[in-house]
Amino acid sequence: DIQMTQSPASLSASLGETVSIECLASEGISNSLAWYQQKPGKSPQLLIYGASSLQDGVPSRFSGSGSGTQYSLKISGMQPEDEGVYYCQQGYKYPLTFGSGTKLEIK
Amino acid sequence: QVTLKESGPGILQPSQTLSLTCTFSGFSLSTYGMGVGWIRQPSGKGLEWLANIWWDDDKYYNPSLKNRLTISKDTSNNQAFLKITNVDTADTATYYCARIGTLYYPYWGQGVMVTVSS
Repeated sequence: DIQMTQSPASLSASLGETVSIECLASEGISNSLAWYQQKPGKSPQLLIYGASSLQDGVPSRFSGSGSGTQYSLKISGMQPEDEGVYYCQQGYKYPLTFGSGTKLEIK
Repeated sequence: QVTLKESGPGILQPSQTLSLTCTFSGFSLSTYGMGVGWIRQPSGKGLEWLANIWWDDDKYYNPSLKNRLTISKDTSNNQAFLKITNVDTADTATYYCARIGTLYYPYWGQGVMVTVSS
């Protein structure tokens, strides 16, 4: 199975600050990576797919990058509604696997 | 508009079989390229992929659940199903169904909580 290691496990950011979350795959996944945001009591919401493609309706302050085994999600200008838990997921091969999550809070 | 909604028993006892139903609209599982997956999340923990089923009835399972899973579909009624046999307390979780986009999930149901308890 491909292991997805996310970091940090938690972080707090001030409004307007730029935030980055990292995801490291245990083997190359050829940009087959998605990022989700989950708010308390809600279903995960797809933000980014294909490592860098923005899902329809997602604000442009969210961006994804990376290649090979290393990927990152950037939020350019933290907003209050960005609080939540963020997960990466590899879609390269079965079994599909998720990172352990990053909890993002407002400082 | 794509919507999905999960339903299940709420609570069941150890060793029983968990049967979940996903009722969806806005797409058809008989359409080329469409698929539905199941993902679960224990309270306060992360996401675990369980299974996918595709329009052509191709099925994929998480091997960590050791043959306890069965995924199926009813295209006439726009439903997908997941059965988990021999449940125990570790299967207590919120279970989500989601429409697949390639091997990502752009559409999710609201989730259904399942508790396994004696």
